[in-house]
Amino acid sequence: GAVVSQHPSWVICKSGTSVKIECRSLDFQATTMFWYRQFPKQSLMLMATSNEGSKATYEQGVEKDKFLINHASLTLSTLTVTSAHPEDSSFYICSASITGTGNYGYTFGSGTRLTVV
Amino acid sequence: GESVGLHLPTLSVQEGDNSIINCAYSNSASDYFIWYKQESGKGPQFIIDIRSNMDKRQGQRVTVLLNKTVKHLSLQIAATQPGDSAVYFCAENIRGYQKVTFGTGTKLQVIP
Repeated sequence: GAVVSQHPSWVICKSGTSVKIECRSLDFQATTMFWYRQFPKQSLMLMATSNEGSKATYEQGVEKDKFLINHASLTLSTLTVTSAHPEDSSFYICSASITGTGNYGYTFGSGTRLTVV
Repeated sequence: GESVGLHLPTLSVQEGDNSIINCAYSNSASDYFIWYKQESGKGPQFIIDIRSNMDKRQGQRVTVLLNKTVKHLSLQIAATQPGDSAVYFCAENIRGYQKVTFGTGTKLQVIP
């Protein structure tokens, strides 16, 4: 159980265009999802916390107008990279929170490799 | 805060030997810790977790040790196999808070 599906697994786009990445919880409801970015040989950097039915909470330094997050249902959160530039090329990973006795464990999607050319 | 590193430390281990991966966590208030395995091009995969009221927990071929005094966490992998080659991250969480903070990561290379 607790499977998170992320789509697409990779995407190449032209500079200036927008790209949408989907994150779905397949067998459970996720009121909270998280979006991470990971550069090569680095750790996961939390970008934002996505809450169903409300605005996302962005980490310091992450532009909310550039990285649009929508969490319209309990099983789907989307991240749209707007006006993408080569420096946005990265590995984007979503995760969903599984509540357990007050602590939070995560299950992760398989990631999306974004290349902006 | 977030842990960011430009270079992943690498641990090379002979197949069949035991591996020990270490992690220093940052927040003394953290009370839940998780080890993740990340293979190239994939998302992190849960391995094992431990709460702060424990100092040791065992799984299948893996053991996590927690030393709260020095804020240190370790992951021991018994009889390391080529399939264990990956990057391993420790992560910490505080009860009641959603945010999970990841450590820098360690690349494990298993030599056949």
